[in-house]
Amino acid sequence: ILNVEQSPQSLHVQEGDSTNFTCSFPSSNFYALHWYRWETAKSPEALFVMTLNGDEKKKGRISATLNTKEGYSYLYIKGSQPEDSATYLCASSGGGADGLTFGKGTHLIIQP
Amino acid sequence: GAVVSQHPSWVICKSGTSVKIECRSLDFQATTMFWYRQFPKQSLMLMATSNEGSKATYEQGVEKDKFLINHASLTLSTLTVTSAHPEDSSFYICSAREHTEAFFGQGTRLTVV
Repeated sequence: ILNVEQSPQSLHVQEGDSTNFTCSFPSSNFYALHWYRWETAKSPEALFVMTLNGDEKKKGRISATLNTKEGYSYLYIKGSQPEDSATYLCASSGGGADGLTFGKGTHLIIQP
Repeated sequence: GAVVSQHPSWVICKSGTSVKIECRSLDFQATTMFWYRQFPKQSLMLMATSNEGSKATYEQGVEKDKFLINHASLTLSTLTVTSAHPEDSSFYICSAREHTEAFFGQGTRLTVV
C-alpha cells in the first residue's frame, strides 16, 4: 500500500444502527495514525491519535483500533445518531514533526 | 483541544493578483505549521511545512515562488498565493501540531476568476 485508502467512500446508516469503516496505510515508515471528524464549514475535529500496534481508543460511542503490522485501522460508531453525520478522515504520519498523509475520507450520513 | 484559526474562510480574486491566507494558533505556540490543499474529490495534500524563523520546506511539485510562506512568530503562519490563476482555485487549510496531535483551521476556499 503506497497511499492512505479509506472505504467505503460513502455510507448511509439508519439511526440507532452501529457502523464501521476502514483505513489502510503504508506500514513502513509509520509513526502515528490520526482520525478526524469533519463537518462542512468547520475545522476537522481530532478524534484519535494512535501509535502502537493493537492500540484501541474510545471516545463516547466512537472507538478505533490500530494494526500497524498489516497497515489498517477501523473506526466504529455504536448506536449512530444524526449528529454523527460527517466526513471521517484518517491520516498517517511518518514522524512526530511530519505532515499528514490523508485518505479521501468516508462520508457518513445517518438517516432518521 | 487546541484551537487554530484561519482567515479568510473564502476569497474570490482576479487572475494575476495575490491572496494572503492567515493561520493562527490561538492557545498554544506552534514552531511548525503545515499547509494543505484539496482539489474536488481528492484528499487533503500536504503542500509545505512552515517553520518558525526559518524557510518553509515544500513538497515535490509545489512551487515555492508561487506559494510564499511566512512564519514570523510562534502563533502565525501566512500563505500568499502570488499571481493567482484559475488553476490555483482550491481549498487551502492549515494545521499546527501540539505534541502528537495536529489541529486544523477552518480552511479557505479560493476562487480565481
